[in-house]
Amino acid sequence: SAVISQKPSRDICQRGTSLTIQCQVDSQVTMMFWYRQQPGQSLTLIATANQGSEATYESGFVIDKFPISRPNLTFSTLTVSNMSPEDSSIYLCSATTRLQLHVAFFGQGTRLTVV
Amino acid sequence: QKEVEQNSGPLSVPEGAIASLNCTYSDRGSQSFFWYRQYSGKSPELIMFIYSNGDKEDGRFTAQLNKASQYVSLLIRDSQPSDSATYLCAVSSRNTPLVFGKGTRLSVIA
Repeated sequence: SAVISQKPSRDICQRGTSLTIQCQVDSQVTMMFWYRQQPGQSLTLIATANQGSEATYESGFVIDKFPISRPNLTFSTLTVSNMSPEDSSIYLCSATTRLQLHVAFFGQGTRLTVV
Repeated sequence: QKEVEQNSGPLSVPEGAIASLNCTYSDRGSQSFFWYRQYSGKSPELIMFIYSNGDKEDGRFTAQLNKASQYVSLLIRDSQPSDSATYLCAVSSRNTPLVFGKGTRLSVIA
């Protein structure tokens, strides 16, 4: 399995500010994804992070609000911009690897609270 | 819209019993099926995946897939209190991200 390091693990932020979450994978990665998990809910896909090009966003998520970078194979960032209390959630980085193409592994998540 | 449905629970079983978790999916083109376990405050952890119709066993866990019925299940034998968690069913097609169900909360009573 892949080891996925995500940071920060948690943060409390003021509304109107932005937070960038980093994700580093330790092995050969094929795809990287960002999910959101709101309190008591399941995981919702925000976007697929594409290496060297714009991310592919799911319905309801836009680049201006959730800009994503993936400058190389094993690293990606998600920024939550102009935050409001509704953005309080857990944000999870996920990746698939060359050895297990269809299996997604998860980082430990970033617990974001917006006040 | 691809959907994955699970009973939210809680499902309560006594210690040592078999826990049966169920999941249905809407996309007939789905090819890969996964069960994740998520403890409160933690990220999802992969338990099993299954690609073919039938049963797949790994220790106390058995995944069952019936593509004709669009149904996948997870059996946990000899349930332990440490199995108490939320179990997430996830489904994907070729080269597409996972779609998750809402999860079933399992409580194993000692």
